[in-house]
Amino acid sequence: QKEVEQNSGPLSVPEGAIASLNCTYSDRGSQSFFWYRQYSGKSPELIMFIYSNGDKEDGRFTAQLNKASQYVSLLIRDSQPSDSATYLCAVNSGSGGSNYKLTFGKGTLLTVNP
Amino acid sequence: GAVVSQHPSRVICKSGTSVKIECRSLDFQATTMFWYRQFPKQSLMLMATSNEGSKATYEQGVEKDKFLINHASLTLSTLTVTSAHPEDSSFYICSARDSDRENTGELFFGEGSRLTVL
Repeated sequence: QKEVEQNSGPLSVPEGAIASLNCTYSDRGSQSFFWYRQYSGKSPELIMFIYSNGDKEDGRFTAQLNKASQYVSLLIRDSQPSDSATYLCAVNSGSGGSNYKLTFGKGTLLTVNP
Repeated sequence: GAVVSQHPSRVICKSGTSVKIECRSLDFQATTMFWYRQFPKQSLMLMATSNEGSKATYEQGVEKDKFLINHASLTLSTLTVTSAHPEDSSFYICSARDSDRENTGELFFGEGSRLTVL
């Protein structure tokens, strides 16, 4: 059973702070990693994806990947109340091409307090 | 960006009836679409992979005769919940891969359909 684990939270940070979200995965052969944001009652929306070890930055968001440790994280700088949502880590555990399967973690509920 | 439209967004039905949910890729072709189900405070669980022109691949524990999937064109997949029961009440979300950008691994999600079975 390929698993994706996230710190369950909820995570509460003050406005302007850095929010750190963590995720580990069980399948060492996983190729690509995604962070989605989901507001209550809505479908997920993609924030970032990362394939290679290291950091990837996009605006206030930074994804970090460490394949040796099977760990991926998301940092949100200058957190805003509008960032309050559930953040889902997703891992493509397929072997590539048509063999594609995105497995989601249970999500971390983030609350940014004004 | 790629847009996936899902319809209906909400449906309430009586126990024993069937409900059809449509998922359309509006500005791209999708040879593969995925159907997820999400219960309250739970994560998305993959139900099945829908392949254009062929039979869907169902995940373990998902009844293929209860959740009928049809992917007759490159832009449309449908999920029919047959003989729905209250335990089928859930948030059903479809997603699609852009056939021209499959190497990115990115999934585009529909808006979701909230099914309530009375």
